[in-house]
Amino acid sequence: GNSVTQMEGPVTLSEEAFLTINCTYTATGYPSLFWYVQYPGEGLQLLLKATKADDKGSNKGFEATYRKETTSFHLEKGSVQVSDSAVYFCALSVGNTGNQFYFGTGTSLTVIP
Amino acid sequence: DTEVTQTPKHLVMGMTNKKSLKCEQHMGHRAMYWYKQKAKKPPELMFVYSYEKLSINESVPSRFSPECPNSSLLNLHLHALQPEDSALYLCASSQDVSLAGEETQYFGPGTRLLVL
Repeated sequence: GNSVTQMEGPVTLSEEAFLTINCTYTATGYPSLFWYVQYPGEGLQLLLKATKADDKGSNKGFEATYRKETTSFHLEKGSVQVSDSAVYFCALSVGNTGNQFYFGTGTSLTVIP
Repeated sequence: DTEVTQTPKHLVMGMTNKKSLKCEQHMGHRAMYWYKQKAKKPPELMFVYSYEKLSINESVPSRFSPECPNSSLLNLHLHALQPEDSALYLCASSQDVSLAGEETQYFGPGTRLLVL
């Protein structure tokens, strides 16, 4: 089947620390992979995506590389800011399933000054 | 413009009430979605509309009734809800329902529903 496993949170970091949020997946077929961010009281915003193996998605200093050999799509940022505090969701989408998204459980990040 | 709007932002209703949630997008997207999100959980897919036709119903109870009057608008009609239906209801849209699965879904801010 299709599923996403994310590292458990919550994660607390000091400002300017390095961030990694692990995400691994299982999928029937060739998935597209996404990271979404949800700020308190808001909907989900697309952070970045990758649609094929070895693609790197990047946005606002965040990066993730689609690794088919390790079935992973880990999110990284070199220097986090207080404004990055949010919940991060890894998700996959596989063709022929109505564009259905399979979300991970979410990882809550708090960045302290 | 990648905006999906949802109204109302908040809704409180009794178990005997009938209410509706509204979602709108003007990006020319042909696929629209309803999700339910409980606190500290990921969104759960409820319904998918493709070209104004219902294509996926994830075994949602009949007290939730979706409607897609046109390609820009998606409604969710609520009737005889239970307290456990209290959640954030998110609407999303995508360009299409892609056979390759690479379409980005754009989410609205959600309607926070409380059922008393």
